[in-house]
Amino acid sequence: NAGVTQTPKFQVLKTGQSMTLQCAQDMNHNSMYWYRQDPGMGLRLIYYSASEGTTDKGEVPNGYNVSRLNKREFSLRLESAAPSQTSVYFCASSPREGYQPQHFGDGTRLSIL
Amino acid sequence: GESVGLHLPTLSVQEGDNSIINCAYSNSASDYFIWYKQESGKGPQFIIDIRSNMDKRQGQRVTVLLNKTVKHLSLQIAATQPGDSAVYFCAEMDSSYKLIFGSGTRLLVRP
Repeated sequence: NAGVTQTPKFQVLKTGQSMTLQCAQDMNHNSMYWYRQDPGMGLRLIYYSASEGTTDKGEVPNGYNVSRLNKREFSLRLESAAPSQTSVYFCASSPREGYQPQHFGDGTRLSIL
Repeated sequence: GESVGLHLPTLSVQEGDNSIINCAYSNSASDYFIWYKQESGKGPQFIIDIRSNMDKRQGQRVTVLLNKTVKHLSLQIAATQPGDSAVYFCAEMDSSYKLIFGSGTRLLVRP
């Protein structure tokens, strides 16, 4: 069972370059999420999609855009990467929005020079 | 909250002993709480959850205790094993359904 799959696992960008992080889940979940994890700080929500066709901002959305391509796939785009966006990015999914655990992928480690 | 990083609180226990990891949460309106385990280079892995109408829930070798009066959550791991070494996070959720991650604690298991 793959669960939540993120690609790529590692990426190095130059300031100003653009990049799309991919996420797919095979659990037939309705809700999907993007987080970032920085040293010394907890996971913070960037954007989420409560169901196919909807997206909403989380705690730290500036500099990012998302696309819920279909029920399985939720991508995160950096239009013009900045060094402050150097982080580990995690995608998660849950059966639906609500009091349920979210299941995480293994992350994309992104460095911006 | 604190994430995986260089200055995490660390709990060191002997293999076979019981471990207790504590977490203080911030929002008295939070209705749902989760414990996650994160191993190096991996994403957070769900361990156990509890609703605010409960004060204790047990799983396989793990127990979560919730004290709403003092906004405190704890994770007890029985007979701690080397494979339990990881960073543990608590997370809370209120009626907006957003997960807020708390401070991480690094658990080291001594052989």
